[in-house]
Amino acid sequence: EVQLVESGGGLVQPGGSLRLSCAASGFTVSSNYMSWVRQAPGKGLEWVSVIYSGGSTYYADSVKGRFTISRDNSKNTLYLQMNSLRAEDTAVYYCARSERGYNYALVYWGQGTLVTVSS
Amino acid sequence: EIVLTQSPGTLSLSPGERATLSCRASQSVSSSYLAWYQQKPGQAPRLLMYGASSRATGIPDRFSGSGSGTDFTLTISRVEPEDFAVYYCQQYGSSPQTFGQGTKLEIK
Repeated sequence: EVQLVESGGGLVQPGGSLRLSCAASGFTVSSNYMSWVRQAPGKGLEWVSVIYSGGSTYYADSVKGRFTISRDNSKNTLYLQMNSLRAEDTAVYYCARSERGYNYALVYWGQGTLVTVSS
Repeated sequence: EIVLTQSPGTLSLSPGERATLSCRASQSVSSSYLAWYQQKPGQAPRLLMYGASSRATGIPDRFSGSGSGTDFTLTISRVEPEDFAVYYCQQYGSSPQTFGQGTKLEIK
């Protein structure tokens, strides 16, 4: 069974850093396209970043240069390193896995972890 | 960046009625990489449709998708009580990937 469990969210001051983790089970992270999607309180979904199986990474303009997506193959875990955090980064952060058989749409989602950026 | 505009923002219907949700793109989107998601309060999104018109596993056939180029539609033939939720379209054929702002389907 595919499972994605995010952790690492919490309260952080503006300008601070946080690293989110997404522990995967039931499949191999490095063999799949993995994404981060966020949702500000009461707002819609915003795509944040993707890492492809080959290692290429892409980012939304709103986080480029501040966030870094990565993975640890030995731990089968996806990460999102978030630096220079701003109030507008406050959101629930979901990790999600694309599925080849679904034209790489986001089929599997974690439950999300809340990041609050506030002084 | 491709901007996806969904309409209406809120759709008020009674169970049994037909729902038509629109997703319009600022430039042409590959149909292969247009998806629809359903999200209920406190839950993660769930994939409904991919490739614009293919239903994901377990999605009832009252859900259908259509469209090409810049205009896409999600239709629910007869809305069931469990269908009241927020619906998002997403394009992931061009970077950056983008979501529409969502359509809330509410009970009338």
